[in-house]
Amino acid sequence: RKEVEQDPGPFNVPEGATVAFNCTYSNSASQSFFWYRQDCRKEPKLLMSVYSSGNEDGRFTAQLNRASQYISLLIRDSKLSDSATYLCVVNGGRGNFNKFYFGSGTKLNVKP
Amino acid sequence: EPEVTQTPSHQVTQMGQEVILRCVPISNHLYFYWYRQILGQKVEFLVSFYNNEISEKSEIFDDQFSVERPDGSNFTLKIRSTKLEDSAMYFCASSLQANYGYTFGSGTRLTVV
Repeated sequence: RKEVEQDPGPFNVPEGATVAFNCTYSNSASQSFFWYRQDCRKEPKLLMSVYSSGNEDGRFTAQLNRASQYISLLIRDSKLSDSATYLCVVNGGRGNFNKFYFGSGTKLNVKP
Repeated sequence: EPEVTQTPSHQVTQMGQEVILRCVPISNHLYFYWYRQILGQKVEFLVSFYNNEISEKSEIFDDQFSVERPDGSNFTLKIRSTKLEDSAMYFCASSLQANYGYTFGSGTRLTVV
């Protein structure tokens, strides 16, 4: 089983739409969770950390469900500039806290 | 905003040659990493480095790979004898603390011919 799994998409949405991505992880001992975005042929950039209580940063909301081992990202009022690949990142858990596993990413296309 | 700087941005090398990829992490960061991304595939962990030693490494990081922090600012990845399948984008990253989100450099595209 892969450490981190994501729906590859693409998600094609109009500007202003709300879109949600999910990600599942396999290691119940994982403790650190992040969402990154990656533009084509560029480096990943940290979008937000994901906390157990859930957290929000402007139009972006991240949730963690430890019982079901999934993480979600909600984007409200999508902008054209949100078009990118969104990467779910999880650390390796006990003995591998400093090793992070990336999902394959979910591609988002926001259309005018 | 502080940056992680990587050089060169693109390197072409012949199979069997040694390459050194260079990185300057953010100055007050303590944890350093190398990742790679083969074109069209996911980002893969290679190695983490803290307190002048490797803290974790993946199965990809075999004897052909080594890392060094020679002078307190540079962080290098050496591939001793490159193979065609080493062709990828190599990203350096750093973080202030363990379990924190990283800052990535813009990457070195390595092409082995």
